[in-house]
Amino acid sequence: AQSVTQPDIHITVSEGASLELRCNYSYGATPYLFWYVQSPGQGLQLLLKYFSGDTLVQGIKGFEAEFKRSQSSFNLRKPSVHWSDAAEYFCAVAPGDDMRFGAGTRLTVKP
Amino acid sequence: KAGVTQTPRYLIKTRGQQVTLSCSPISGHRSVSWYQQTPGQGLQFLFEYFSETQRNKGNFPGRFSGRQFSNSRSEMNVSTLELGDSALYLCASSLALSGVAEAFFGQGTRLTVV
Repeated sequence: AQSVTQPDIHITVSEGASLELRCNYSYGATPYLFWYVQSPGQGLQLLLKYFSGDTLVQGIKGFEAEFKRSQSSFNLRKPSVHWSDAAEYFCAVAPGDDMRFGAGTRLTVKP
Repeated sequence: KAGVTQTPRYLIKTRGQQVTLSCSPISGHRSVSWYQQTPGQGLQFLFEYFSETQRNKGNFPGRFSGRQFSNSRSEMNVSTLELGDSALYLCASSLALSGVAEAFFGQGTRLTVV
């Protein structure tokens, strides 16, 4: 079945540590790929997107993501997490004319 | 330029009532999508409108409906409210259909059904 999976429901990292959030998709062709962040009570903000080209994508707030076709993955990374990064992160795919979201990963940052 | 505006931000309704939520997209954006977000089901796609026409629809009952006006503003309506309709309803606008263009989200309308 077509799907987008974020295997980690909740991740806790220490401030200053590196971060990797996982996203896998299952579609016939490579869809457009997105990462969004949602702070409590707020809407979603786009961090970065991949349509084609360079498989390493740079986004806002120091985030980057790497598209790996062989693994059907689009993992989000940040080398050094800040306390303000605590939020919920959503991977989204657009296999056609609509967008589908993963279940989200909640990030907690320890001081 | 102004972002996506959703009104109202909070709403409390009684079971059986109906509700209308409003979304004003970013100026120039022609696509408006609606999503329901709940702790149990996550973000679920409701429908998308582009140039006043519904282009895509998610798997929701007919009680959920929407429309888009000529100025791209959109409304969604939920009739005969159920307790399970309590959720954060998010609207997103984009220049083109959401699958091919970046979507910008509003802050959402928090609907509580009692």
